[in-house]
Amino acid sequence: EIVLTQSPGTLSLSPGERATLSCRASQSVGSSFLAWYQHKPGQAPRLLIFGASSRATGIPDRFSGSGSGTDFTLTISRLEPEDFAVYFCQQYGNSPRTFGRGTKVEVK
Amino acid sequence: QVQLQQWGAGLLKPSETLSLTCAVFGGSLGGHHWTWIRQPPGKGLEWIGEVNHSGDITYNPSLKSRVTFSVDTSKTQVSLELSSVTAADTAVYYCARTSGYYRMYLDLWGHGTLVTVSP
Repeated sequence: EIVLTQSPGTLSLSPGERATLSCRASQSVGSSFLAWYQHKPGQAPRLLIFGASSRATGIPDRFSGSGSGTDFTLTISRLEPEDFAVYFCQQYGNSPRTFGRGTKVEVK
Repeated sequence: QVQLQQWGAGLLKPSETLSLTCAVFGGSLGGHHWTWIRQPPGKGLEWIGEVNHSGDITYNPSLKSRVTFSVDTSKTQVSLELSSVTAADTAVYYCARTSGYYRMYLDLWGHGTLVTVSP
């Protein structure tokens, strides 16, 4: 199975700063079948990015995804107060689908 | 607006069978795969498997021997059973929907159900 490694585990930033989150796959993720989700405590996870770089419906353009092959990045250009959450990546091109362990973006 | 509502027993004893149901409100089961995912405390997400409205199923090999999915199209519900549970099965269990039949990313999630396995 494809193992996804996210880094860093925790990112401490201030509102207005730029967040750069990494997701590295143990083998190539075919056709960039990689998604990013946001998860806040007590809430359902929310799809942000699919196909490595396509924003889901209603997602602000401060969220962007990039990468291919084994290296993928989620960038939040300017953190808003509501963006402090856990972010995890998922590959959905191979079975079993797998997830990264998440990056927590916390207020510095 | 389509919503997913989950329910099931939250406290089980070892060796019992976990049973969860996910109901789809405002939509149908067709055109999507319905996925079960779990997250043990302090750990990452684990994909349990997926099922479509026709009953085509893919299970995670790590759980395949103990997992059963079922579909009730008349009630727009999907269900998960996990047999012979142990403490290692303690987790928040989520149901989620793929965006489409071939768009396998998850565009809608339930809020999750905490299941605790304890003697």
